[in-house]
Amino acid sequence: DTGVSQDPRHKITKRGQNVTFRCDPISEHNRLYWYRQTLGQGPEFLTYFQNEAQLEKSRLLSDRFSAERPKGSFSTLEIQRTEQGDSAMYLCASEYGFTDTQYFGPGTRLTVL
Amino acid sequence: QQQVKQSPQSLIVQKGGISIINCAYENTAFDYFPWYQQFPGKGPALLIAIRPDVSEKKEGRFTISFNKSAKQFSLHIMDSQPGDSATYFCAARRRRGGGSNYKLTFGKGTLLTVNP
Repeated sequence: DTGVSQDPRHKITKRGQNVTFRCDPISEHNRLYWYRQTLGQGPEFLTYFQNEAQLEKSRLLSDRFSAERPKGSFSTLEIQRTEQGDSAMYLCASEYGFTDTQYFGPGTRLTVL
Repeated sequence: QQQVKQSPQSLIVQKGGISIINCAYENTAFDYFPWYQQFPGKGPALLIAIRPDVSEKKEGRFTISFNKSAKQFSLHIMDSQPGDSATYFCAARRRRGGGSNYKLTFGKGTLLTVNP
């Protein structure tokens, strides 16, 4: 399968702990996006990379959130000092050039107890 | 500010019927309008998309109708099947311009149930 992959698929953590998610985009896709989806809502944009450069961050991305994309390949999203309000599905999407199509991964479901 | 408004929130259709989901947008800079289908536990998958230079696009049983002056677009699913039962999201974005313009802005979703 050459689609977008995310790891882990599920994460349960206690409030105050740090968590890190990984996204592997489709090979050669230069754009990578992170979105957050809560129950009953559409995905909301968090941040965007073009190659290794992080070009945009949403106001939803507080100082506790950090994302990286070293060497323009996989990306990680870290949440420090998790709060119950961080519980959501974290989706990664990748896109090649100006093709317009964003391909989504299966997501990481985060539950903060 | 919700830039893309989607309705209805849920929809129940009989097998073989037509499912219609509507969206309205506010940002006139949007020029790409995709529809995504999402099954439980899965990420959204692109179903069909339209650019504002056409008023309608059809792919199999799925059709997008686009009204630029009204800033509205809709998804029509003909001959709806139980396998179409899923959550559908409309979205919008700018295709050019750099920076945050490439992000997708989604509606809140429509849960479609097709009864056999």
